Amino acid sequence: EVQLVESGGGLVKPGGSLRLSCAASGFTFSTYSMNWVRQAPGKGLEWVSSINIGSTYIYYADSVKGRFTISRDNAKNSLYLQMNSLRAEDTAVYYCARGDGDYTPFDYWGQGILVTVSS
Amino acid sequence: DIVMTQSPDSLAVSLGERATINCKSSQSVLFSSNNKNYLAWYQQKPGQPPKLLIYWASTRQSGVPDRFSGSGSGTDFTLTINSLQAEDVAVYYCQQYSTTPRYTFGQGTKLEIK
Repeated sequence: EVQLVESGGGLVKPGGSLRLSCAASGFTFSTYSMNWVRQAPGKGLEWVSSINIGSTYIYYADSVKGRFTISRDNAKNSLYLQMNSLRAEDTAVYYCARGDGDYTPFDYWGQGILVTVSS
Repeated sequence: DIVMTQSPDSLAVSLGERATINCKSSQSVLFSSNNKNYLAWYQQKPGQPPKLLIYWASTRQSGVPDRFSGSGSGTDFTLTINSLQAEDVAVYYCQQYSTTPRYTFGQGTKLEIK
């Protein structure tokens, strides 16, 4: 069974940093691209970042470029999102989601982890 | 970026009736090279993550009931739910994946029981 479990969320002050992790199991992690998608409270879905299987192609939404860094460790079956210079508007549930390569939808999602940026 | 616009924002349908949700993209998501529409539909129930229902505009994901169907091509798409069940109450999102990695989602349509 495919499982994606996010961790590392919480309350952080504006300007602070947080590192999210996503532990994957039930599939060969190293053969799938991975993504982060967020959802602000009561709002819709926003793609945040994507990384391919070899970490050679990495992309960010304009809203987080220069502040967030996506990475993965295929040996540990884990995906990460380092979030710096956090703003109130970054407050959201963050989901990790699996993609079957380029030009494919997200077929499995984690349960999500809440990040709250507030003083 | 491609803008995805869903209509309506919310709708209420009686149990056993049909629900129809529309999604319009600001540019075509049809690739002529393979004649595929790079359009997916997701269902998100309260307190849960999104679940992939349909991809390539009309292909049901494994395990999705056949009362869910997708149609359309180019810029105009429809998600149809026949014989609405109580468990279908959710927010539904369309997503284009034709401009990877700049995936974009519609704003969502909230489906309720009348």
